[in-house]
Amino acid sequence: GNSVTQMEGPVTLSEEAFLTINCTYTATGYPSLFWYVQYPGEGLQLLLKATKADDKGSNKGFEATYRKETTSFHLEKGSVQVSDSAVYFCALSATAGGTSYGKLTFGQGTILTVHP
Amino acid sequence: ETGVTQSPTHLIKTRGQQVTLRCSSQSGHNTVSWYQQALGQGPQFIFQYYREEENGRGNFPPRFSGLQFPNYSSELNVNALELDDSALYLCASSKGVAGEVHEQFFGPGTRLTVL
Repeated sequence: GNSVTQMEGPVTLSEEAFLTINCTYTATGYPSLFWYVQYPGEGLQLLLKATKADDKGSNKGFEATYRKETTSFHLEKGSVQVSDSAVYFCALSATAGGTSYGKLTFGQGTILTVHP
Repeated sequence: ETGVTQSPTHLIKTRGQQVTLRCSSQSGHNTVSWYQQALGQGPQFIFQYYREEENGRGNFPPRFSGLQFPNYSSELNVNALELDDSALYLCASSKGVAGEVHEQFFGPGTRLTVL
């Protein structure tokens, strides 16, 4: 079956530090890949996505590149801010024969805390 | 454009009781998915409804059931509640078109506590 593995957390950084959160996946076929963010007390928000190999998703300074050869989709940001403190989830969505439109399989989440 | 809304926000039940959670999908969306997020974990797919029919189910027992209405809003029903059902229940809506993956928009969730 499909699965997503994220790096163990929590991650604690100082403001303006470089961020990497690792994500690898197992899936049949050609899944779409996503990063979602969850701020305290809120639901999930889509941060970025990539739908095919070598695509780069980007948003709000965050980037991730779909690497099929390493089955990875690592999240990066060059300079984090205190407001980036949240839980980050890597996810994939695979379709087969037109069924299960976009069922998401999530990783366990990585807690990011950024200090001033 | 109104986003995805869920009710109630919080709910406390006791073991053995039944609960109904509600979700209103975003305008123009015909697909609703439900997820269970236990504390400290990623969301787990429960099931999905597309045009009022169940369209895929995760590894959850039959006491988890659902409905989708003609206006594409949805309910999640859980019978015979167990302590492990305590979680945040998330609803997500999207536009479903055969074979295409569309972005899912999540509601704020319902926090269910089973005592």
